[in-house]
Amino acid sequence: AQSVTQLGSHVSVSEGALVLLRCNYSSSVPPYLFWYVQYPNQGLQLLLKYTSAATLVKGINGFEAEFKKSETSFHLTKPSAHMSDAAEYFCAVSGSNFGNEKLTFGTGTRLTIIP
Amino acid sequence: EPEVTQTPSHQVTQMGQEVILRCVPISNHLYFYWYRQILGQKVEFLVSFYNNEISEKSEIFDDQFSVERPDGSNFTLKIRSTKLEDSAMYFCASRGGGGLGTDTQYFGPGTRLTVL
Repeated sequence: AQSVTQLGSHVSVSEGALVLLRCNYSSSVPPYLFWYVQYPNQGLQLLLKYTSAATLVKGINGFEAEFKKSETSFHLTKPSAHMSDAAEYFCAVSGSNFGNEKLTFGTGTRLTIIP
Repeated sequence: EPEVTQTPSHQVTQMGQEVILRCVPISNHLYFYWYRQILGQKVEFLVSFYNNEISEKSEIFDDQFSVERPDGSNFTLKIRSTKLEDSAMYFCASRGGGGLGTDTQYFGPGTRLTVL
């Protein structure tokens, strides 16, 4: 079974500041980890994914995440926040079982950018 | 760029009525999913579908729910007798057949279901 914990349901950062959104996972099999973003009144858009290749993963819009097995973490970062980054961010995990790779989501973190 | 589409964007229904939510997955994808998000809560898995049958379903997906791929392009979720607690955003997702966890699930924009 897999689960994800996102620390901080709300995060506020100033425009231009570092963004850090935390995600810790639990998985009985090697995990596949994802970050999705949800803008207001829109669906889920993939930001980036870890699928057992490089541990530092770069995604869209300047975001990146680092898989740390020793810490069971997959935190999302962006060096400089932009107003357009305001959204809800979801970390998700899936196992490596063939065929039924459902995603298990965290509770989400709402990111607010302060002008 | 190919995308998953869903109709309608918003559905309002009376408790006890049947609703059908429709999805058109990306055309060459093989795996299909429904998720839901109750307002203010996390996204929850409902069901996965492959080769014209259910692969896995959650405990939420009881006998009131069913899925179908009637014509090779549409993927539908039916709720036979809606309850107030079925009010949520329902997301359809699809994934290609590239193997063990290497493909991404692409999500549609969602259907907001309101049960009165």
